[in-house]
Amino acid sequence: DTGVSQDPRHKITKRGQNVTFRCDPISEHNRLYWYRQTLGQGPEFLTYFQNEAQLEKSRLLSDRFSAERPKGSFSTLEIQRTEQGDSAMYLCASKVTATNEKLFFGSGTQLSVL
Amino acid sequence: AQKVTQAQTEISVVEKEDVTLDCVYETRDTTYYLFWYKQPPSGELVFLIRRNSFDEQNEISGRYSWNFQKSTSSFNFTITASQVVDSAVYFCALSYGQNFVFGPGTRLSVLP
Repeated sequence: DTGVSQDPRHKITKRGQNVTFRCDPISEHNRLYWYRQTLGQGPEFLTYFQNEAQLEKSRLLSDRFSAERPKGSFSTLEIQRTEQGDSAMYLCASKVTATNEKLFFGSGTQLSVL
Repeated sequence: AQKVTQAQTEISVVEKEDVTLDCVYETRDTTYYLFWYKQPPSGELVFLIRRNSFDEQNEISGRYSWNFQKSTSSFNFTITASQVVDSAVYFCALSYGQNFVFGPGTRLSVLP
């Protein structure tokens, strides 16, 4: 399977705990995106990478959120001191560098903060 | 600012009916791309179509067709003879440069 993979699929945590999600993009894709999706809403942009460089961050990405893509391959998204409002589906997507090419999405990580 | 509106939150149809999902977008860019994605219950968004701002030709792919009208900033999606497997949430999206903005989605339920 050469699609975008995300791990874990589901994460339940207590408020105040830290969580980390992983995304493995399609291997030849230089661009990697993180989105957040809440119930009844479309994906909301969080951040994206060109190889290992983080090129843009949304104002939705508070200082409790950090994303990395250390070797330009897989990426991690960490949320520190989780809050109940962080409960959402976190989607990863990747694409080739060419402008306006389509995104390929993973199945997402569903986070529930109790 | 870029924005995508999908006014229909939920639609229910009976199998074999035709259904149209509406999408209206806002952008000041002259070059942009529009997309439709399908999100089945499994959660993964699946690409359906991409259309650039210079190509207003309608497109048909099997039971799916898309109507792009720049004059009304709309990019509507029609499913002909709907099937139960079409039940999903459908998202319209606008690409500007390297980023994308998604609409809130329309949940389509096709009843047997």
